[in-house]
Parts: sequence; C-alpha cells; structure tokens
Amino acid sequence: ETGVTQTPRHLVMGMTNKKSLKCEQHLGHNAMYWYKQSAKKPLELMFVYSLEERVENNSVPSRFSPECPNSSHLFLHLHTLQPEDSALYLCASSQDRSGGAGETQYFGPGTRLLVL
Amino acid sequence: GQNIDQPTEMTATEGAIVQINCTYQTSGFNGLFWYQQHAGEAPTFLSYNVLDGLEEKGRFSSFLSRSKGYSYLLLKELQMKDSASYLCAVPGSGAGSYQLTFGKGTKLSVIP
Repeated sequence: ETGVTQTPRHLVMGMTNKKSLKCEQHLGHNAMYWYKQSAKKPLELMFVYSLEERVENNSVPSRFSPECPNSSHLFLHLHTLQPEDSALYLCASSQDRSGGAGETQYFGPGTRLLVL
Repeated sequence: GQNIDQPTEMTATEGAIVQINCTYQTSGFNGLFWYQQHAGEAPTFLSYNVLDGLEEKGRFSSFLSRSKGYSYLLLKELQMKDSASYLCAVPGSGAGSYQLTFGKGTKLSVIP
C-alpha cells in the first residue's frame, strides 16, 4: 500500500464508450501523474499536474482528457478509444518541493484497460 | 533526449547474487531511480542515486557512475519473492524535470 489508490482496477470498454479513471493520493503530495504501460514498452508519461496546474507538454491523443480538481485527486476521462489504447494506466504522486527533479514518485496499483 | 538501456531478462538462483545493469544518456542529470514491479502491480521505489558510488540498503545496493552513464542494482541473498521487473529511470532537467524516463525493465526470474 503506497498511499495512492486507483479505481477501477479493471475496465473493459467499447470504442464508443466514455469512461473515467480515478486516482486519489493520501500522502499530502502536490504533484500527480498519469502513465501508460503497454506490453513490451517502457512506462510512458502522459500528464503531470503540480498544484492542480498542468505542467509538461507530452503529446497525447485528445481522446484522453485529464482533470485535477484538487491536489489529492486526478481523473483521466476516456472517449472513443482504440484497441491499441489497451494498457495498464498508472497514477503516481510526488512531493514537488523542487519542480519535480529528483523526487520519488509513488505509484498506485493501476487500472488494467481493455478496449474492444 | 534521454535514452535508457537495460537487459530484458535475467535468471538467477535462490540465495545467489545478481547484478542488473543500466546505461543511460541524458541531456542533464538529476539522479537515477530504481523501481521494482511485480507482475500486475504498481512499481515501488527501491533507490535513488545522485552521487557516484555504492549505496546499500539491506539486501539491495545501487551503484552509480555519472562519468560512464552507468548504474547497477545488486541483489544479494536472492529470494523467490525477488522475481519481478526492475526498472531504471532518470528524471529530465529544466522544464522537463517532472518527466521520468523509464527503461523497458529487466525481468528477473529467481529459480530454486
């Protein structure tokens, strides 16, 4: 238990569905992250929020839409996904004392997503 | 840009010692992380090195050589529960310092 929770743990959706992934951290951190982990590929950073403001500018398809209503919660809204979007989606958080550099990120257990 | 290379798979015997290597290329250096990830679970933090040398933490040690762009994770007295993927990661620098670039991971199998 790392203090970062994610729901749901598993999700199956069709390409026309809309769903949302939720992440909550209980560590008092100020930065939160979404990562995608596909088979045989390294973890890929999708989005970063610091103090509820989006930072970093990774190119992610618009069918993925993040939302950070406060420093403890992070959502990833999904719509019109493709089968190649099937992956493990991991949320992480960090303290954010120094603009991210060198700070340990603590990961949630992930949501295993399957797009049919 | 950043690039990380680590072996894809390794196998070692219970009770033995194994060394997992990682080489990296970065435009700026803000340290190097090692994470452990069991199948289907979250990556968990193992170590962070920012200075050259060996840091020991129980059965696990991590080594860094900044001049060589090289790190290794040393696991002693291997146990079956150490079977997992080990991820090497480096943060970006400047405006990209939130970015953690991960290697593909080394899948370690510990056999009896």
